[in-house]
Amino acid sequence: DAGVIQSPRHEVTEMGQEVTLRCKPISGHNSLFWYRQTMMRGLELLIYFNNNVPIDDSGMPEDRFSAKMPNASFSTLKIQPSEPRDSAVYFCASSFSTGLETQYFGPGTRLTVL
Amino acid sequence: DQQVKQNSPSLSVQEGRISILNCDYTNSMFDYFLWYKKYPAEGPTFLISISSIKDKNEDGRFTVFLNKSAKHLSLHIVPSQPGDSAVYFCAARGGGKLIFGQGTELSVKP
Repeated sequence: DAGVIQSPRHEVTEMGQEVTLRCKPISGHNSLFWYRQTMMRGLELLIYFNNNVPIDDSGMPEDRFSAKMPNASFSTLKIQPSEPRDSAVYFCASSFSTGLETQYFGPGTRLTVL
Repeated sequence: DQQVKQNSPSLSVQEGRISILNCDYTNSMFDYFLWYKKYPAEGPTFLISISSIKDKNEDGRFTVFLNKSAKHLSLHIVPSQPGDSAVYFCAARGGGKLIFGQGTELSVKP
C-alpha cells in the first residue's frame, strides 16, 4: 500500500507568487494533518481535517495560508502571496482518526521562497 | 510558547553506548506521548509511544520513560547503532492533536 504522497517534493518560487502543495493520504485514513518544519519551532501543526472537515486551523500562520480537502483522497495547502519567511519543509500526515492511532507522514515538500 | 520542548538540538554518541534523548512538556493534560524518527529527505516515522498511565515502555533497543511529576520523558537507545543517526521528535497528544518538540539530531559514530 502506498504511503502518504506529497507533491511537489521541491518548490522554488519568488516572493509574491502563489504556491500550492498537494497531498494524497493513505487510503482509508479519515484524518489529515498539515505540518511545517522549521529549525526554530520544529514540527508545527498548521491544520487538521477529520472526515474532510477542518477541525482545528489555529496553527495557520495568517490569512495568506489556506487549506482544503475536497474529498477523502486529496488535500491542498495554498500560500498566496508567498513570502521568504514561508520557506520551510511542509509535511502532510494521515491517520485513522485523531485518537491513539499514530500518524503516517509523507516525504514533505521543501519550499523555498526567494 | 512551546508546550513540548527538546532542549538539546544535537547529541553525539559512540556506537554501542547508550543514547538518551530528553523531552519536557508543560501541559499536565497530555495523555499520550510518542517519539518519531526522521531521516534526511524523508517524513518522520513513528518509533515508540507511552500512555500517561505508564512510566515505561520498551521495544527492543528502545525504551521510553515518563516522569509525570516532572513532566519529562526520555528515549533510551541501547546499544546505539550508526543507523540510529537521525532527528528524533517527541510529541504529546492533547486536544485531539499532536504537539511536537523541536527535535534532537542524534549522531552515532562508529
